[in-house]
Amino acid sequence: EVQLVESGGGLVQPGGSLRLSCAGSGLTFNHFNMHWVRQAPGKGLEWIAYISGSSDKIYYADSVKGRFTISRDNAKNSLYLQMNSLRDEDTAVYYCAAKWELIYWGQGTLVTVSS
Amino acid sequence: QSALTQPASVSGSPGQSITISCTGTSNDVGGYNYVSWYQQHPGKVPKLMIYEVSNRPSGVPDRFSGSRSGNTASLTISGLQAEDEADYYCNSYTSSSTWVFGGGTRLTVL
Repeated sequence: EVQLVESGGGLVQPGGSLRLSCAGSGLTFNHFNMHWVRQAPGKGLEWIAYISGSSDKIYYADSVKGRFTISRDNAKNSLYLQMNSLRDEDTAVYYCAAKWELIYWGQGTLVTVSS
Repeated sequence: QSALTQPASVSGSPGQSITISCTGTSNDVGGYNYVSWYQQHPGKVPKLMIYEVSNRPSGVPDRFSGSRSGNTASLTISGLQAEDEADYYCNSYTSSSTWVFGGGTRLTVL
């Protein structure tokens, strides 16, 4: 059974940084393309980043480009999202999702940006 | 990267059929066979219901079907059941090598 578990969320001040992690199990991790998707409280889903299995293709939504960095460590079956220059509007539940079609999802981790 | 356009809400009675539309452009919905649909119950994780426009993952009831005409994709649920009440989101790959979601549609089963 594929499992994805996010961690690293929490309360951070505007302008601060946070690093999210997503640990995968039950899958050949390096074969899976991965995404980060977020959902602000009471709002819809927003795709924010993608990384291919070998990390040779990386794409970002305009809303996070230049501030967020997606990366992965296949030896550790882990996906990361480094978030810098955080803004109030980055407050959301952050999900990692596996495969091109976003088939498998983690439970999400809440990031709150507030002073 | 404008969000795909979905109706804010739809409703139907048990046993009826409903259709949720998802309108984009030739740079996303109309240009690629990578349109997916997700179901999200309140407080829960999104669940993939349809991928590549019209394919159902294993375990998804065949009451759920997807289609596309031009730049508009559609999700049809036939034989509505109470447990179908949820938010539904469409998603498409785009010509910018990004993905974009629709704004979401709240389905109410009357």
